[in-house]
Amino acid sequence: AQTVTQSQPEMSVQEAETVTLSCTYDTSENNYYLFWYKQPPSRQMILVIRQEAYKQQNATENRFSVNFQKAAKSFSLKISDSQLGDTAMYFCAFMKRYNNNDMRFGAGTRLTVKP
Amino acid sequence: EPEVTQTPSHQVTQMGQEVILRCVPISNHLYFYWYRQILGQKVEFLVSFYNNEISEKSEIFDDQFSVERPDGSNFTLKIRSTKLEDSAMYFCASSPPGLENYEQYFGPGTRLTVT
Repeated sequence: AQTVTQSQPEMSVQEAETVTLSCTYDTSENNYYLFWYKQPPSRQMILVIRQEAYKQQNATENRFSVNFQKAAKSFSLKISDSQLGDTAMYFCAFMKRYNNNDMRFGAGTRLTVKP
Repeated sequence: EPEVTQTPSHQVTQMGQEVILRCVPISNHLYFYWYRQILGQKVEFLVSFYNNEISEKSEIFDDQFSVERPDGSNFTLKIRSTKLEDSAMYFCASSPPGLENYEQYFGPGTRLTVT
């Protein structure tokens, strides 16, 4: 079974600073996808960034980037130039490749951006 | 941009009552999912649905739960006899056809409160 671990229940960062959220996962699969979702107080699930495990290059999406370490089974999210609107819960998620499988989520990290 | 919609946004029901949560996935999507999130906890997979049948379900998805695609657009989750512990946010998601079209698009969620 796949498990996703987010070891930081809460984090805070000053506006305009950089913050890194940690995620590790456990799987015997070789082909899979990893995601970071943002959940603001509205509780909508918003995809922030995704990574295909077969790609060595780390995904980037504007101010968001990941550090994907496949051997270490680590998938951290870096948010640069943090903005007040980045305040939210952030969930790391894992999905096996093919068969459009279910996603397994971590417990989440509550990020607060302080002015 | 097409999006997944869910109704109602908030449902209050008494313990033992049946509830039906409704979702309209994105029109050309073929894979459908239900997830739930108990307040303050992580998002948990319930069930996936493809080609008019359940393709995968979690241990949470017991005999009290059922899913249906009654027509070409709706995807429903029924809870036969609600329990207090069914109180949660329920998210519907869908993904398009194609092995590499893996991204799941989430709806805004239905908050279910069982009293």
